[in-house]
Amino acid sequence: EAGVTQFPSHSVIEKGQTVTLRCDPISGHDNLYWYRRVMGKEIKFLLHFVKESKQDESGMPNNRFLAERTGGTYSTLKVQPAELEDSGVYFCASSQNTGELFFGEGSRLTVL
Amino acid sequence: GQQLNQSPQSMFIQEGEDVSMNCTSSSIFNTWLWYKQDPGEGPVLLIALYKAGELTSNGRLTAQFGITRKDSFLNISASIPSDVGIYFCAGGPYLSGGGADGLTFGKGTHLIIQP
Repeated sequence: EAGVTQFPSHSVIEKGQTVTLRCDPISGHDNLYWYRRVMGKEIKFLLHFVKESKQDESGMPNNRFLAERTGGTYSTLKVQPAELEDSGVYFCASSQNTGELFFGEGSRLTVL
Repeated sequence: GQQLNQSPQSMFIQEGEDVSMNCTSSSIFNTWLWYKQDPGEGPVLLIALYKAGELTSNGRLTAQFGITRKDSFLNISASIPSDVGIYFCAGGPYLSGGGADGLTFGKGTHLIIQP
């Protein structure tokens, strides 16, 4: 069974540009989460989907970040326009209602 | 928001040594989780603790849920080269049947094993 997959694995963009990250959760997992880790810092929660609905988006930094999960399958996280402080590794995770998170490999974003 | 203090930030040890790391918080958590991240990979769950005072082992790994609910430790015995990586603690609410909302992660402990 495929795990959580994320694309791209690494993205390098200039300040002001737009980037869209994609996450495909494990098939059948209703819960999908986005987390971010800035270098040397903790992994911080961004938001949580249950199927296509946003359950909790309290961790989203500001309105430059937009997450969608149309149809309750894959999710995208768009950053527009990107700023320098947005650099970091963006992790997607999915779970069934058991509490165990299964993480993807992460998408490393570098904003120059 | 809630914060976890994870220490040490990094450890340089010899192969075969035992390792100990811990997380503390000023807030109570009902669940403590320990994850490991290998280079280029996402975090993988090692041990989950659901009850205050619980001591759980997974091979050479042992973790405990502090009785005050404000701390947890992870021990690795007889370290081997594949133990290298970043270890994260995470505290959360009562998780059973409720998904994984509200996990708070520590900053990670970077384990480096010297030959």
